[in-house]
Amino acid sequence: DTEVTQTPKHLVMGMTNKKSLKCEQHMGHRAMYWYKQKAKKPPELMFVYSYEKLSINESVPSRFSPECPNSSLLNLHLHALQPEDSALYLCASSQADRGLSSNQPQHFGDGTRLSIL
Amino acid sequence: AQSVTQPDIHITVSEGASLELRCNYSYGATPYLFWYVQSPGQGLQLLLKYFSGDTLVQGIKGFEAEFKRSQSSFNLRKPSVHWSDAAEYFCAVGVGQAGTALIFGKGTTLSVSS
Repeated sequence: DTEVTQTPKHLVMGMTNKKSLKCEQHMGHRAMYWYKQKAKKPPELMFVYSYEKLSINESVPSRFSPECPNSSLLNLHLHALQPEDSALYLCASSQADRGLSSNQPQHFGDGTRLSIL
Repeated sequence: AQSVTQPDIHITVSEGASLELRCNYSYGATPYLFWYVQSPGQGLQLLLKYFSGDTLVQGIKGFEAEFKRSQSSFNLRKPSVHWSDAAEYFCAVGVGQAGTALIFGKGTTLSVSS
């Protein structure tokens, strides 16, 4: 069983809809991540939150809006998505060391499979 | 620029045979290296990690990997493959600060034949 919980598991939405993806972890991790994964491809980093502050935005279109309301929760708000945004969206978390290099393994959720009609 | 190369897109191994999945990295500093496995419809599960010290690291499910700095490699091995090992395997290098930013290889699909 994964320790990072993502809801919903599947989501179908139209291009004009607004929806949100949710991610929750209770491991005390202070770094949380959103990845996008297309079929037969590796995950691509979208956003990184460290201590509830956005630290990395990999030039993601504004139709994706992340939010980290507290240290256990991470949301991804979706609005006016395009068909090419259909993918598996993965959330991950890790311990975060302030100012140190990246040696903390990430723990992934099972993802939300998003389909845009 | 940092990068990870997995030269084999697809490998088929007979059940009970040994396995080696190749991974080469390009990174200027000491790399933090990971192997993840992804079964269909699921997220990524960490198999093992290398940070420093002993260059042969043991992971879960009977996997091990050896870090070779001279070859910039971090190959994954298993002495005897089980049918349940069929999955996608990703090698990754951790870079950056303020948390771990992972750069993934393109992955290797492992099929297991009976």
